[in-house]
Amino acid sequence: GIQVEQSPPDLILQEGANSTLRCNFSDSVNNLQWFHQNPWGQLINLFYIPSGTKQNGRLSATTVATERYSLLYISSSQTTDSGVYFCAVGKANAGKSTFGDGTTLTVKP
Amino acid sequence: GAVVSQHPSRVICKSGTSVKIECRSLDFQATTMFWYRQFPKQSLMLMATSNEGSKATYEQGVEKDKFLINHASLTLSTLTVTSAHPEDSSFYICSALSIAGGYEQYFGPGTRLTVT
Repeated sequence: GIQVEQSPPDLILQEGANSTLRCNFSDSVNNLQWFHQNPWGQLINLFYIPSGTKQNGRLSATTVATERYSLLYISSSQTTDSGVYFCAVGKANAGKSTFGDGTTLTVKP
Repeated sequence: GAVVSQHPSRVICKSGTSVKIECRSLDFQATTMFWYRQFPKQSLMLMATSNEGSKATYEQGVEKDKFLINHASLTLSTLTVTSAHPEDSSFYICSALSIAGGYEQYFGPGTRLTVT
């Protein structure tokens, strides 16, 4: 199956700092999503981005499908950005997604 | 749009009993639903793929007889944990693919199961 590697595993920032989270995957994919898991376990869908670049407020994401990686950018981080960020990828014929191990982000005031 | 609900959100049951978790797509029809489990501080692991009107496809290592999945309609899939044991305690999350197409998965809020 597809291997998904996220880095860094842990990240500690001061409020206001910027950060970049990375997701590498081992095969071509048709589906790539970034999620933020909140303290209650709910997965918040940040981006559906199998290719290209998208922006939503302070967050943006870029997927370079040919090079099999995706980046999630968080600018001007806030304490509410703390939590675990997951990347999930999948192939069209399978439908299902494989999750990376996540990046745990802690933003300190 | 694209809201998925799960019920219950939290359940405590005794060892040996069975518990059913429902996953519903509220504002769309789902051809396929997925069931994941997540242990503390770990990632989500796919348990099974559920297609409406057919048998679920289980991932390697997942016991079919223990985790019964039924996808009776285009908006409802259920996961029944049979003869639950404390090691089945986990966070169970479902997701759904829209019949309208595309590969974006919509996730439910999860169910926290504790087996005592």
